Amino acid sequence: EVQLAESGGGLVQPGGSLRLSCAASGFIFSDYWMHWVRQIPGKGLVWVSRIDTDGSTTTYADSVRGRFTISRDNAKNTLYLQMNSLRAEDTAVYYCARGAWGSAVFFDPWGQGTLVNVSS
Amino acid sequence: QSALTQPASVSGSPGQSITISCSGSGSDIGTYKHVSWYQQHPDKAPKLLIYEIDKRPSGVSNRFSASKSDNTASLTISGLQAEDEADYYCCSYASSAAFVLFGGGTKLTVL
Repeated sequence: EVQLAESGGGLVQPGGSLRLSCAASGFIFSDYWMHWVRQIPGKGLVWVSRIDTDGSTTTYADSVRGRFTISRDNAKNTLYLQMNSLRAEDTAVYYCARGAWGSAVFFDPWGQGTLVNVSS
Repeated sequence: QSALTQPASVSGSPGQSITISCSGSGSDIGTYKHVSWYQQHPDKAPKLLIYEIDKRPSGVSNRFSASKSDNTASLTISGLQAEDEADYYCCSYASSAAFVLFGGGTKLTVL
């Protein structure tokens, strides 16, 4: 069964840092692009970042570019999101999601999410 | 980079059909086939329902169907069931954004 499991969320002060992890299982992790998507509680989904299969290509939403870094360790089947200079508006549930094969664009499956709360 | 536009809520009775619209522009839905739809139950992760405009992943009920016309995508749920009560999100590749845009979400209430 294909599974994604996020961890690393928690309470952090504004200006602080946090690293999220996403453990993948049930598929060949190194074959897929991976993504982070966030959701402010009670609000909609917002795409955050993506990384290609070997980690050489990354893309970020304008709102996090320069503060967040996506990376992966294919040997450990794990995706990461390093979040620096955190702001109150970064408070959200962060989901990791597997990207589509080939040229298609969709996210399947998603992890259960991890809550990041940026507050003093 | 505005989100795609969805109605905030829709409702229907069991057995009925409902349609959720998702309005974009020529730089996203109007040009690309990369439109997908997701279902999210409260406190759960989103689940893929439709990809590439109208394709259903294996395991998704054929009560879910979708289409696209000009700058608007639509999701139709037929034979409404209580378990369909959830939030629904559209998503499209967008050349005006870093990658994709999501809709603001539509809450479906089964009366």
